[in-house]
Amino acid sequence: AQKVTQAQTEISVVEKEDVTLDCVYETRDTTYYLFWYKQPPSGELVFLIRRNSFDEQNEISGRYSWNFQKSTSSFNFTITASQVVDSAVYFCALSEHNSGNTPLVFGKGTRLSVIA
Amino acid sequence: DTGVSQNPRHKITKRGQNVTFRCDPISEHNRLYWYRQTLGQGPEFLTYFQNEAQLEKSRLLSDRFSAERPKGSFSTLEIQRTEQGDSAMYLCASSPQGQGRDYGYTFGSGTRLTVV
Repeated sequence: AQKVTQAQTEISVVEKEDVTLDCVYETRDTTYYLFWYKQPPSGELVFLIRRNSFDEQNEISGRYSWNFQKSTSSFNFTITASQVVDSAVYFCALSEHNSGNTPLVFGKGTRLSVIA
Repeated sequence: DTGVSQNPRHKITKRGQNVTFRCDPISEHNRLYWYRQTLGQGPEFLTYFQNEAQLEKSRLLSDRFSAERPKGSFSTLEIQRTEQGDSAMYLCASSPQGQGRDYGYTFGSGTRLTVV
């Protein structure tokens, strides 16, 4: 069965600090997708990144970067030089594909507060 | 077509009443998903459709819940005899079926249900 664990419930950082949000997943499939979503106070889930299981290259997008390591079943998310606008709840999610595209399974989320 | 649309945005109802929510997915997406999110938790899968066929229902979907997607376009989620425990944000998402470059889930803004 698939499972996503985000061990950090809440994180507070001071503006301009770097912060890493952890995500550990469990799956028996060899083909799967991992996602990160941002949920600001308005409530809408905003897509940040999708990574498939065959692509272990790390990705950087502006101040955001993702570290995918199959050996440790982790897909961690780092925000560099954090800003107040980064304050939100961040969710990691998993979808399995060996037997078709299964619905996304989410972690419980990490609430990030960036203090000015 | 600008995204996934959900109506209403907010619904307050008395315990025991029936409520119905609507979701209009991205028109090219043949998969539609319903999720429920309670305070401090990640979204939890309820059910999903591929075109008009309901392919999977979670154990969270009690007999009081029913979902339809009659023409493979918009979907409705009905809750009968609402209970206070039904209070949550109900999220709808759509995705294409395949695993191509455009695979991903687009979420609506959600319907926040409060049962009093």
